[in-house]
Amino acid sequence: KAGVTQTPRYLIKTRGQQVTLSCSPISGHRSVSWYQQTPGQGLQFLFEYFSETQRNKGNFPGRFSGRQFSNSRSEMNVSTLELGDSALYLCASSLERSGANVLTFGAGSRLTVL
Amino acid sequence: AQKVTQAQTEISVVEKEDVTLDCVYETRDTTYYLFWYKQPPSGELVFLIRRNSFDEQNEISGRYSWNFQKSTSSFNFTITASQVVDSAVYFCALIGNAGNMLTFGGGTRLMVKP
Repeated sequence: KAGVTQTPRYLIKTRGQQVTLSCSPISGHRSVSWYQQTPGQGLQFLFEYFSETQRNKGNFPGRFSGRQFSNSRSEMNVSTLELGDSALYLCASSLERSGANVLTFGAGSRLTVL
Repeated sequence: AQKVTQAQTEISVVEKEDVTLDCVYETRDTTYYLFWYKQPPSGELVFLIRRNSFDEQNEISGRYSWNFQKSTSSFNFTITASQVVDSAVYFCALIGNAGNMLTFGGGTRLMVKP
């Protein structure tokens, strides 16, 4: 059974550009959530999608957005990149929207903003 | 608001020593789930254990054991006879009633020296 796949694994952008990250969940999983990991702030929740609808959103500016497709694949977009957006972005999937279901994480997309 | 605190930012032990990683949490939810994840240098978060708020039974899995105490809001993790391969960052996390929104602690970096 394939795990959670995130692409690209590494990318470098410059300030002001935008970036799109992709996440393919485990087959059959309907919930996808995104997290940002930085040395200073640790692991922070970005947003959660279930059945193509955003269900929860963390405390991030509107430059951070996402969506989920009918096949449960998800993308997140960051516009007008800032140096502080450099981070490891982790995607997690689970069957349903409850803590009774374990969240399985992908390997992450490491974004560097120059 | 939910909060998870891992007071130990870094622990260094010699192989075969036992080590306990502390986790204290805060939540107003009556139903919640606690997790431990391991993050090796590759970056992927690896699930170790989940406990729900109604199950205070301690658990042992090989060299790993977990002690959940609601009275002190703690969910501590012990590695017995540590090995070099246990070197990683370990995160304690909590999900409450608000769907798949994990609140992570700051993590504990464990270094096991041969």
